Amino acid sequence: QKEVEQNSGPLSVPEGAIASLNCTYSDRGSQSFFWYRQYSGKSPELIMFIYSNGDKEDGRFTAQLNKASQYVSLLIRDSQPSDSATYLCAVNIRNYGQNFVFGPGTRLSVLP
Amino acid sequence: DGGITQSPKYLFRKEGQNVTLSCEQNLNHDAMYWYRQDPGQGLRLIYYSQIVNDFQKGDIAEGYSVSREKKESFPLTVTSAQKNPTAFYLCASSPRLALEQYFGPGTRLTVT
Repeated sequence: QKEVEQNSGPLSVPEGAIASLNCTYSDRGSQSFFWYRQYSGKSPELIMFIYSNGDKEDGRFTAQLNKASQYVSLLIRDSQPSDSATYLCAVNIRNYGQNFVFGPGTRLSVLP
Repeated sequence: DGGITQSPKYLFRKEGQNVTLSCEQNLNHDAMYWYRQDPGQGLRLIYYSQIVNDFQKGDIAEGYSVSREKKESFPLTVTSAQKNPTAFYLCASSPRLALEQYFGPGTRLTVT
């Protein structure tokens, strides 16, 4: 099992819909969880981070963490075409010296 | 204006030549990182540094070298020993290990 897994997509949603992106991880001791957005040809941009179980909201974005089930998700409400990008999940993994392991990313396409 | 700068944006080299990629941050972050990204793939950690004059190998350190003589600077040298150096190189920094990382704009290296 890979340390951090994501569906590669592409995930297509219509404009205005909710996009749901999921990420699972292998290390039960992980404490820090991050979502990045990466436009084609650009560097990753931090969207949100979450440390505690439950939901964390920031504007149109909500991160959800469930440590017992070892998954973290990102919901994007009222999706816009400008949200079309690859979304990377990153988790700190103890066996990597607490460094991040990045998932392969999910490509999101928001259709006008 | 705080942030992370990388230079140059594009770099072309002949096979067999060493090349150094620059990374500077003025965020007063202790930790800095170098990642490599290949087309359609996730980020892989090359080297990281938690503090000045100290650095650790990541997953794919072979053929690369770094230095951390100043808190603000973490240059990466791609040596001729790196078998497939053509890639997108990303530098990041964080307040300390396991906290949120912020990325520079990246350097796209092409070796022919």
